[in-house]
Amino acid sequence: EAGVVQSPRYKIIEKKQPVAFWCNPISGHNTLYWYRQNLGQGPELLIRYENEEAVDDSQLPKDRFSAERLKGVDSTLKIQPAELGDSAVYLCASSPGTTNNEQFFGPGTRLTVL
Amino acid sequence: DQQVKQNSPSLSVQEGRISILNCDYTNSMFDYFLWYKKYPAEGPTFLISISSIKDKNEDGRFTVFLNKSAKHLSLHIVPSQPGDSAVYFCAASASGGANSKLTFGKGITLSVRP
Repeated sequence: EAGVVQSPRYKIIEKKQPVAFWCNPISGHNTLYWYRQNLGQGPELLIRYENEEAVDDSQLPKDRFSAERLKGVDSTLKIQPAELGDSAVYLCASSPGTTNNEQFFGPGTRLTVL
Repeated sequence: DQQVKQNSPSLSVQEGRISILNCDYTNSMFDYFLWYKKYPAEGPTFLISISSIKDKNEDGRFTVFLNKSAKHLSLHIVPSQPGDSAVYFCAASASGGANSKLTFGKGITLSVRP
């Protein structure tokens, strides 16, 4: 079974530029999560989707961040414009919706904003 | 305010000995706890979990203990192996269904010396 796929793996941009991350969850997983992990910290949830509906986006900085999950499968997370403080690893995870709340993570996209 | 705390940033143990990784939480609504393991340049991988109705869960070399009154859990690895060297994250969720938000600690870097 293929795992969660993310691209790109690394991205370096200058501040004020836009950037987008893509995630393909495990087949059949209806729940998709985007997390941000700053250096030396644990992952922090940005947004959670149930199919194509964003059911928890309370931690998403909506002035510059946006996300979509068209057709309830792949998802894209966008930052526009990027700031220096956005440098982090952006992790996508998916879950089958069973009772144990196990989430499967992708390898992440390491973003560096110069 | 960190709701999940992993106060020791690192731990070094000899191969074959026991590794004990500690985690404390402050939110009494948390009722499900997970441990994730993370290698460099990879996403976190689920290791083991425990529900608040239990005080112990064992899976091979890994055992998680939960002390609800102390709001404390620990992960025991015995015997420790060099391949166990990684960052270990403690995570917790509150009742809200199978896909509840996970709150992570900062992680503990475990080094197992040959």
